[in-house]
Amino acid sequence: EPEVTQTPSHQVTQMGQEVILRCVPISNHLYFYWYRQILGQKVEFLVSFYNNEISEKSEIFDDQFSVERPDGSNFTLKIRSTKLEDSAMYFCASSLQTSGDNEQFFGPGTRLTVL
Amino acid sequence: GENVEQHPSTLSVQEGDSAVIKCTYSDSASNYFPWYKQELGKRPQLIIDIRSNVGEKKDQRIAVTLNKTAKHFSLHITETQPEDSAVYFCAARGSGYSTLTFGKGTMLLVSP
Repeated sequence: EPEVTQTPSHQVTQMGQEVILRCVPISNHLYFYWYRQILGQKVEFLVSFYNNEISEKSEIFDDQFSVERPDGSNFTLKIRSTKLEDSAMYFCASSLQTSGDNEQFFGPGTRLTVL
Repeated sequence: GENVEQHPSTLSVQEGDSAVIKCTYSDSASNYFPWYKQELGKRPQLIIDIRSNVGEKKDQRIAVTLNKTAKHFSLHITETQPEDSAVYFCAARGSGYSTLTFGKGTMLLVSP
């Protein structure tokens, strides 16, 4: 069964540094998402992406965040200047469409630790 | 925006008992309600979902009910097993949107 993959599994960075989290969505999916989960808390929506542009974003997704689909397979989340409070598990997800069969398949996550 | 409340935050049951987790949502236009199971250190995985044109859905030991009038939906697990132990998240998606809004999660512990 196809799965969403993410790299790296764990990223440690210094406050103020830029990080790029990478995701490979399921190949025939059209909609891509980033979520984050602070340890012990709920999963929070960051951004959705369709047809090479952001379709929705949350209040969390401020100017320090950006997303990109640099080629036909990768989907990246960039955090420009990391803060301590960015430490969390970041999940990428993808879905075939947004209505009807809308199951969002989650990747295994990247644990980001900002020191 | 949508707000999803989930109760209880923790639930301990004996193997073989039933478990019920309840969620409420605020946006009456929401039309899709998935439930995800997240084992420790792993990705959330969809276990069952329900759409607003259906009141109940069942898949073996798992069932979900939806009350659109009251804006609440529930997950029912019967004959619980130790491997059901995990954190369960409910979510809701508003009409015309792709965003899922998640509840805070319920840690289910099934004791043998």
